[in-house]
Amino acid sequence: GDSVTQMEGPVTLSEEAFLTINCTYTATGYPSLFWYVQYPGEGLQLLLKATKADDKGSNKGFEATYRKETTSFHLEKGSVQVSDSAVYFCALSDQGAPGNQFYFGTGTSLTVIP
Amino acid sequence: SQTIHQWPATLVQPVGSPLSLECTVEGTSNPNLYWYRQAAGRGLQLLFYSIGIDQISSEVPQNLSASRPQDRQFILSSKKLLLSDSGFYLCAWSQGYSGNTIYFGEGSWLTVV
Repeated sequence: GDSVTQMEGPVTLSEEAFLTINCTYTATGYPSLFWYVQYPGEGLQLLLKATKADDKGSNKGFEATYRKETTSFHLEKGSVQVSDSAVYFCALSDQGAPGNQFYFGTGTSLTVIP
Repeated sequence: SQTIHQWPATLVQPVGSPLSLECTVEGTSNPNLYWYRQAAGRGLQLLFYSIGIDQISSEVPQNLSASRPQDRQFILSSKKLLLSDSGFYLCAWSQGYSGNTIYFGEGSWLTVV
């Protein structure tokens, strides 16, 4: 079945450091891939998405490229800020699944220190 | 534009009491609707999803139930809460087309005491 595996945290970085959060997936069809961000006490917000192979999603300085050959969708940011501290979830949507189900990774907690 | 709201935002309930969480979506029609639970420090667990009125699928056997009395309304209920029901509950919606995105409500904190 479909699944998402993402890098376990927590991750602690200094401000302006480079960020990579790894995400790999397993899917039977042709999934769309997403990164969501969750700030403390809030719901999940869409950060970026990619709907086909080699697409690059980007938003707020974050980027991720849909790599079909490695079944990966790693999240990167060149210079993190304290305000980026949050939990990040990788997800996929497989149109072949009943009810258009979404599959989420377990989340990676990021703390950025000044 | 589409919006999703769920309530209440927080509640503290005694063991054995009933539960009702409500969620409504505005600005779209015939959405897919979802209930997720997020235990403290853990990932998302899909509880229920619905592709239409009276079409609800349960992902995890438990003492919770869901209903969809109207196209854009999704309700999560329990007749008797357990301590293990404590957590952060998230309602979400999506449209059923290729490349669709799932959008989440603000979440509801439930503490069973």
